[in-house]
Amino acid sequence: QSALTQPASVSGSPGQSITISCTGISSDVGNLVSWYQQHPGKAPKLMIYEGSARPSGVSNRFSGSKSGNTASLTISGLQAEDEADYYCCSYVRGPYVFGTGTKVTVL
Amino acid sequence: QVQLVQSGGEVKKPGASVKVSCKASGYTFTSYGINWVRQAPGQGLEWVGWISGYNGNTNYAQKFQGRVTMTTDTSTRTAYMELRSLRSDDTAMYYCARDLDPYSGSLEYWGQGTLVTVSS
Repeated sequence: QSALTQPASVSGSPGQSITISCTGISSDVGNLVSWYQQHPGKAPKLMIYEGSARPSGVSNRFSGSKSGNTASLTISGLQAEDEADYYCCSYVRGPYVFGTGTKVTVL
Repeated sequence: QVQLVQSGGEVKKPGASVKVSCKASGYTFTSYGINWVRQAPGQGLEWVGWISGYNGNTNYAQKFQGRVTMTTDTSTRTAYMELRSLRSDDTAMYYCARDLDPYSGSLEYWGQGTLVTVSS
């Protein structure tokens, strides 16, 4: 399966909310969509799993949703530390398929 | 706490093979699988494959089938990924990652990465 499609970049001012879309998700995926944050030179970090659940320790400013073949990650109350690359990911009985990645810039 | 510690960077010539290790601690090794994900310089994430910590079953991305072999050593709690017939476009950071749980389809714990450079 081809990579999922994300916008190359999204930006916002501190305190604002931004949303990153992820399109091309197979109907077979169900809610098995996850989101990862990656700072330069670091390993990815799981931010959202099963579409909308947050792992322990992840801020509630991060939320996920899915509608049809599109998943979304919303970051509310944008902070400087949120500046990073973000990847969506779908899982269908084995293969993980990642999105193209979105660079989030805090203005 | 769960930790995945990978082997150090490698420099290989085209056509050679590389074997990267991932030593796990802080959880029951046989209860989870290990995935391998790579990232070429300045590029996105790409799933390479998965191996069961329980019985060694594997699932490789179609792109790598025939060139990759994943194994585990349960006595040392270590997973390995071997990639053969290396090409310049295999130059990437290779990460091992453990599932959050066997059914969530998400990767919660990641190794620090191993940079594999393929150059003549």
